[in-house]
Amino acid sequence: QLQLQESGPGLVKPSETLSLICGVSGDSFTRRAYYWGWIRQPPGKGLEWIGSIDSSATYYSNPSLKSRVTMTIDTSKHQFSLHLRSVTAADTAHYYCARITIYGVAHDAFDVWGQGTMVTVSS
Amino acid sequence: QSALTQPASVSGSPGQSITISCTGTSSDFGTYNLVSWYQHNLGKAPKLMIYEVNKRPSWVSARFSGSKSGYTASLTISGLQAEDEAHYYCCSYAGSVIFGGGTKLTVL
Repeated sequence: QLQLQESGPGLVKPSETLSLICGVSGDSFTRRAYYWGWIRQPPGKGLEWIGSIDSSATYYSNPSLKSRVTMTIDTSKHQFSLHLRSVTAADTAHYYCARITIYGVAHDAFDVWGQGTMVTVSS
Repeated sequence: QSALTQPASVSGSPGQSITISCTGTSSDFGTYNLVSWYQHNLGKAPKLMIYEVNKRPSWVSARFSGSKSGYTASLTISGLQAEDEAHYYCCSYAGSVIFGGGTKLTVL
């Protein structure tokens, strides 16, 4: 059964870079049938898509975050990463990683999710 | 791109049916029918309930159904149960991924 697990620091200082890793257990990680994505939920607010990456390391980001987001993938370690630069308090949120099914080349459904990790931006 | 519009809250009694709407624009939905719905309880991972407007994953009860008309998608839950109480989010893809603002479902 596929499982995803987020890891990373729970506290990041303003202006620094937030870096998270999503570890993936299961045999679908290298298959081209999926994207691997990041979603966040600020306290008291709704879900927001951050970005997604495919097995060839091509990534797609939310236009509102694009200038600050980098994503990487390491298929040998079965993990992918999010790097969000120049964080502010507005980036405080629960961060989730998820597997995304693909329809053609389009994002279809987020079908498997990690439990999430809380990241607070504060000095 | 703003979030898709959902009612902040809906409620219903056990056994009743409720519908949650999700409204956007042509740029939010495009020509795709890639609308999905997620159930989310605080402290837990969101759970896929509906994909491609009206398809149900194997783990989802037939009480859950989805539809779309124009630029409004809908999630209907029939035979409401206490365990259905949660937040529900719609999601659409039209060149980018956009979520709805979320709806809190209360089972009275």
